Parts: sequence; C-alpha cells; structure tokens
Amino acid sequence: GQNIDQPTEMTATEGAIVQINCTYQTSGFNGLFWYQQHAGEAPTFLSYNVLDGLEEKGRFSSFLSRSKGYSYLLLKELQMKDSASYLCAVMDSNYQLIWGAGTKLIIKP
Amino acid sequence: SAVISQKPSRDICQRGTSLTIQCQVDSQVTMMFWYRQQPGQSLTLIATANQGSEATYESGFVIDKFPISRPNLTFSTLTVSNMSPEDSSIYLCSVDVSGGTYNEQFFGPGTRLTVL
Repeated sequence: GQNIDQPTEMTATEGAIVQINCTYQTSGFNGLFWYQQHAGEAPTFLSYNVLDGLEEKGRFSSFLSRSKGYSYLLLKELQMKDSASYLCAVMDSNYQLIWGAGTKLIIKP
Repeated sequence: SAVISQKPSRDICQRGTSLTIQCQVDSQVTMMFWYRQQPGQSLTLIATANQGSEATYESGFVIDKFPISRPNLTFSTLTVSNMSPEDSSIYLCSVDVSGGTYNEQFFGPGTRLTVL
C-alpha cells in the first residue's frame, strides 16, 4: 500500500528553527509537495521537490532524498503566524497525490 | 493561480437528507477534484471530475452516494446523499494549475458539514 508518515504534532519557540519530517512509500514518484493549512482554512502550496537536495524559499526550505523516501520542511525564524498544520503529499506514478495526515505545529512565545 | 469559491461554507443537516456543494473557479480548468478531510486526518480524494465525462471515483466512494456534476470548465457540484453522522467532515474542491515543471493544487475554502 501507499503510505505517508509525519509526526502528529510539534512545538517550537518563536524565533527558533523547526524541522518537520516526512517519510513515504508510494507506487512510483513524481514529486513531493508541502502545503500549509491554518485551522479552518484551505491548504496552500509551500514547496515542490522532485530532485534530491534542498530547495530554499525565504524562511522555508524543503529537502528531498528519493533513495531514502524522505523529505523535511525546515522553518527558520519562526513567527506566531507559522502555527498551522503542514501537509506532506507525494505524487505517485499515476500522477495522483497521496496525502499525509499533517503535522500540527504549535509556536510558543 | 486559481481562485476557488465554495457554497455553502458550512451546514448542519439531518440524517437521511442530501446536501449539494457548489464549487466555482475563476478560470477554465480540465480537472476538478473533490476531497474529504475529517478532523486530524489527511485529505482523502473522493473523485476527479472532468468536463463532459463521468467522474472517476476512488476506492470506497460510489456515485450513488456522492453524485458529481461538471456542466462546464469552471463549475462543479458534489452531492452528499442520504447523509449519516459519519459523513460529517470538511469537503474541499481543488484544481490543478500548471506551473511549468509541476502542477500546483489550489483549494477552495471548504464546506464544513455536520450531520445530526
């Protein structure tokens, strides 16, 4: 079967750095996405990785290792508004998105 | 990008009734997707709706329970039929927009459904 694993919840301090991990086992691989979802709102796109390595976009970076079936989302200089759920999703060989359950990130002052 | 609206934003319904959710996109798109998201759970794809053809349903979802219409390239509806409390969830409409090397999914704001 297809599976995406993420921690259920993480807590971090304002101004700090946090890394959210995602491991996956899917039928084929056509890219990995990270989405942010604030409570009661729709998910919004953060990043896309299809090749190994680090993609940096401002305070957010995403890393991919296809051989390990592993990705992480790195958030720097955390702000209170970063409190949200972060969803990892993998596009399989049929170009269908397989979604993780999301990681709820709690930022404390 | 794409801007998506959904109606209603939320509803409370009685067991055995049906609710139709509308999804409107500000541009023409080939495929529209309907998802369900229960609290603390991942997004679960219900079906993919192509204009001019029958929707394609995922395992565990059937047309009699979740009939879908796709009358044109900017609009779709999802009906949740003969509802039970287990259907209480957030229903999200989404579309793919090509960004060159990948397709980005844009989501509507969701419809929060509570079935009593």
